[in-house]
Amino acid sequence: NAGVTQTPKFQVLKTGQSMTLQCAQDMNHEYMSWYRQDPGMGLRLIHYSVGAGITDQGEVPNGYNVSRSTTEDFPLRLLSAAPSQTSVYFCASSYSITSGDEQFFGPGTRLTVL
Amino acid sequence: KNEVEQSPQNLTAQEGEFITINCSYSVGISALHWLQQHPGGGIVSLFMLSSGKKKHGRLIATINIQEKHSSLHITASHPRDSAVYICAVRYSGGGADGLTFGKGTHLIIQP
Repeated sequence: NAGVTQTPKFQVLKTGQSMTLQCAQDMNHEYMSWYRQDPGMGLRLIHYSVGAGITDQGEVPNGYNVSRSTTEDFPLRLLSAAPSQTSVYFCASSYSITSGDEQFFGPGTRLTVL
Repeated sequence: KNEVEQSPQNLTAQEGEFITINCSYSVGISALHWLQQHPGGGIVSLFMLSSGKKKHGRLIATINIQEKHSSLHITASHPRDSAVYICAVRYSGGGADGLTFGKGTHLIIQP
């Protein structure tokens, strides 16, 4: 199994550009989520999904969209990039939303918005 | 806002020392996770606890539900243990809104 994969690993955008961060998992996990990691702060939840066709907002959803058309894929879209979105983005998945499930993280995408 | 507090924020120790990293949280939880993030950035899950104690190799994690506190211990520490250790909790009371993370403890083990 490849686990959780993310692409790209690095990205530089100009203010106002849009892009999609890709996330895929091959473990048949129902629960997938996106976090951002900023210096001096813990990871913060952006959006999550409990299954195909179901998504919801997390703590910091503004400026981001998600969709979940398949169990495997959970892309994160930046609609109009802003410097405040410069961060490291992690996708994570687990078998279900219950408390007993191990979280698997992707390798991260380092995004810089100029 | 429910918070997760970790201490210390930074820790430098000599190889072989016994290491303790602490995590406290404010309200009831259904699970607590300890994660490790290496300098390359990748995050791996070390433990998931809802009660008691777990051990894996030189790592031991404990949780006290009544005191809302967890500790991660590393015995016979080694330079390869140098990493950021992150505590994260899933608050009880329903909802699928992910984990709440501490800011991490940056551990350096010197040879």
